[in-house]
Formats: sequence, C-alpha cells, structure tokens
Amino acid sequence: AQSVTQPDIHITVSEGASLELRCNYSYGATPYLFWYVQSPGQGLQLLLKYFWGDTLVQGIKGFEAEFKRSQSSFNLRKPSVHWSDAAEYFCAVGGVGGDKLTFGTGTRLAVRP
Amino acid sequence: DAGVTQSPTHLIKTRGQQVTLRCSPKSGHDTVSWYQQALGQGPQFIFQYYEEEERQRGNFPDRFSGHQFPNYSSELNVNALLLGDSALYLCASSFGGETQYFGPGTRLLVL
Repeated sequence: AQSVTQPDIHITVSEGASLELRCNYSYGATPYLFWYVQSPGQGLQLLLKYFWGDTLVQGIKGFEAEFKRSQSSFNLRKPSVHWSDAAEYFCAVGGVGGDKLTFGTGTRLAVRP
Repeated sequence: DAGVTQSPTHLIKTRGQQVTLRCSPKSGHDTVSWYQQALGQGPQFIFQYYEEEERQRGNFPDRFSGHQFPNYSSELNVNALLLGDSALYLCASSFGGETQYFGPGTRLLVL
C-alpha cells in the first residue's frame, strides 16, 4: 500500500532563513511525487512535481525538491523564506497512470518576523 | 482560464440528511477526483471519475456516491450524514489523471 510520512507536524523559521520540509514515501513502483501548499480555509495549490528525469525539480515561489530513491524521500527546500510562505504543506505520492494521490498529514509552517 | 470551481463554498446540514456537492473541472481536463479533508488531516481519496464512470474508489462507505456528466463536471453525494462527515471536500481535475489541480473546496458542517 502506498503511504507518505511527513515527520514534522509544525516548523517555525525566521523570515529570510532557509527551509527544508521532510517527506518519505512508500510506493510499489517508480512514484510520481508532489508538493502542495494550503493556506487557511483554502484548497491545495501545486508547488512542484516529480515524474522522471532530473531528480532536482524546481517549482513556483522559489521552492525546489530533491527525489532520492535510495532514501525514499522527496524533501522540499527554499533558500530564503518569506512571511507569505506561512501555510500548510502536503507531500503526496501517486498519479501514475491516473492513480489516486495519497497525502501525508502535512507540515504547518510558521514564519517568525 | 478558469481553474477548478466548486459549489457551494459552505454548507450546514443535520444528521441523517443528504448533500450534493458540485465540481467543474479545469478547461481541457477529463478526470475528476474527490477528496475528504478532516480538520488537521491530509486529504483522503474518495473516488475518481473518468468517461462518466467511477474508475477508482477509496475506503469510503456506499453512502458516498458520485456522478460525472458529459461536460466532465461532477457531483459528490453523501446520504445519511453523520457528524464525522464534517470536513472540507476537495475536488481535483486532471487530464489523464496524472497532475491533479484542486478547487477551493466545500466546507461541510454536520450538526
């Protein structure tokens, strides 16, 4: 069965500091991997996705993520966090051939002024 | 280009009632998936529709049913509502089912 683990429930960083959000997955084949962001009371916005090819993928808003097959990880990074990045971040696996998405429980990011 | 739209935005029902939620996919998309997001949780997959048929289903009871129309829009129906059905219901559309784009959701409160 496919699963996603986001070990950090809540993270606080100072504005301008770097950020890394962790994601580990379990999937029966080569996965499609996604990061979504959700502001309070809103739907999910796609930040970036990995299907195949270069293991370092660039997304919107200055985010990037690196796929590491040996560690079953797909961590999200940003070199300098802005106050507007405060939100909940979800890692998801699936989508291969139209497969369902399985989400982690999310990481809530707070940004300290 | 309009994204995924959902209606209504909020809904209050009482236990035992029935509810219908609606979703219009992004232009050019042919596949609609529905997710339930309980407070403080990640979204959970309910089912997916493609070519007007249910293609996949998650671990949800038969009280949850859906439909897809020829214009690719979709409905989610929930019968005999329980308190535990209170959640944000998210619709996602895709072309071929791979990259899913989400709507703003419908927040359902069951009293």
